[in-house]
Amino acid sequence: DGGITQSPKYLFRKEGQNVTLSCEQNLNHDAMYWYRQDPGQGLRLIYYSQIVNDFQKGDIAEGYSVSREKKESFPLTVTSAQKNPTAFYLCASSIAGTSGRPRYNEQFFGPGTRLTVL
Amino acid sequence: AQTVTQSQPEMSVQEAETVTLSCTYDTSENNYYLFWYKQPPSRQMILVIRQEAYKQQNATENRFSVNFQKAAKSFSLKISDSQLGDTAMYFCAFQLLDSNYQLIWGAGTKLIIKP
Repeated sequence: DGGITQSPKYLFRKEGQNVTLSCEQNLNHDAMYWYRQDPGQGLRLIYYSQIVNDFQKGDIAEGYSVSREKKESFPLTVTSAQKNPTAFYLCASSIAGTSGRPRYNEQFFGPGTRLTVL
Repeated sequence: AQTVTQSQPEMSVQEAETVTLSCTYDTSENNYYLFWYKQPPSRQMILVIRQEAYKQQNATENRFSVNFQKAAKSFSLKISDSQLGDTAMYFCAFQLLDSNYQLIWGAGTKLIIKP
């Protein structure tokens, strides 16, 4: 079955530690995204990547880092520089916006990771 | 910059009733898409329905339909014959047809269907 997997489902971090959230997709999508979700707010874009070995900052990239070494994988590292990292993190993928000018860009989401700082 | 506003933080209706969720957006562009996503208690984000801005006809998917008013920049979601499984957070999202195709999200409406 095609889809997006995120691991772990729950993650606990001590202050001052870096942690990495995993996101893998087998949908053959070129584009991948990381969002942060806080209560009472919509999704906010952290980073996105439209092609392997390339990525761009979203609206709230400070304190986060990503890599895109493989088409299927887009891990997110929450660094100690992120002052308020407790949140729900969602990964998504889609066909790339630049590939043949698709009519629209439907994003498919993983099940999410809940990160809690202790 | 584009913005999306959902003015109803929470709504509740009885099972089998019809409910309408509101969404307004702000843009100076003419070519875009609008989406409604559903996030049930499992927190899995699921696409409910989409609307192309160039189409005047309102999109429909089974019990879900939209009222798209382009001049008013309004995009409401109507759920007919509501079911307990419709209980979820509903997010309205806007997508500009530029090279990035990023989604701009509203804050969401929590919908509770009561038995």
